[in-house]
Amino acid sequence: GDSVTQMEGPVTLSEEAFLTINCTYTATGYPSLFWYVQYPGEGLQLLLKATKADDKGSNKGFEATYRKETTSFHLEKGSVQVSDSAVYFCAPLSGGSYIPTFGRGTSLIVHP
Amino acid sequence: NAGVTQTPKFQVLKTGQSMTLQCAQDMNHNSMYWYRQDPGMGLRLIYYSASEGTTDKGEVPNGYNVSRLNKREFSLRLESAAPSQTSVYFCASSEGGNKIVYTFGSGTRLTVV
Repeated sequence: GDSVTQMEGPVTLSEEAFLTINCTYTATGYPSLFWYVQYPGEGLQLLLKATKADDKGSNKGFEATYRKETTSFHLEKGSVQVSDSAVYFCAPLSGGSYIPTFGRGTSLIVHP
Repeated sequence: NAGVTQTPKFQVLKTGQSMTLQCAQDMNHNSMYWYRQDPGMGLRLIYYSASEGTTDKGEVPNGYNVSRLNKREFSLRLESAAPSQTSVYFCASSEGGNKIVYTFGSGTRLTVV
């Protein structure tokens, strides 16, 4: 089955710092790739997605590029804010499957 | 606001008690899911319903049962709660098929003592 490896957290940054959260995956076929975000006390919500190789998903200043050759989908943001403090989940979805595999999540803490 | 509604938000049970977690969505989604979230374990799928009238086991179904009551509602039942079932439970829905963006509820925090 599919699997996903995310960098362990917590990732602690100062406001306006550059963020990278690494995600690598194994999946069959040509998966779609997702990042979900969970703010404190809430359920997960979709942050961005990419459905084919070299696609870049983007939302709220976050970006991630579908790298088929390295089976990676790293999340980046150029300047984080305190309000970005949350847990981030990488989730590949294999072709032919309709249930994504969620990573263990990476906690991000941004200090003023 | 449209979305996924879960009840209750918090619950404490004694070992051996039973309870049902409720989930309803108002987006006319076909597919619904139950996950549990434990520290360091991420999200694990308990059961899902690809469409009204069908249910299937996920990764960790033991100790749980589900009912897809209608297109809107998908309930999760613990027949005899155990401390190992202490967790945060999330319901989610999607349009189904290849439209697989999930909408999650805000969760139920369950403690079994």
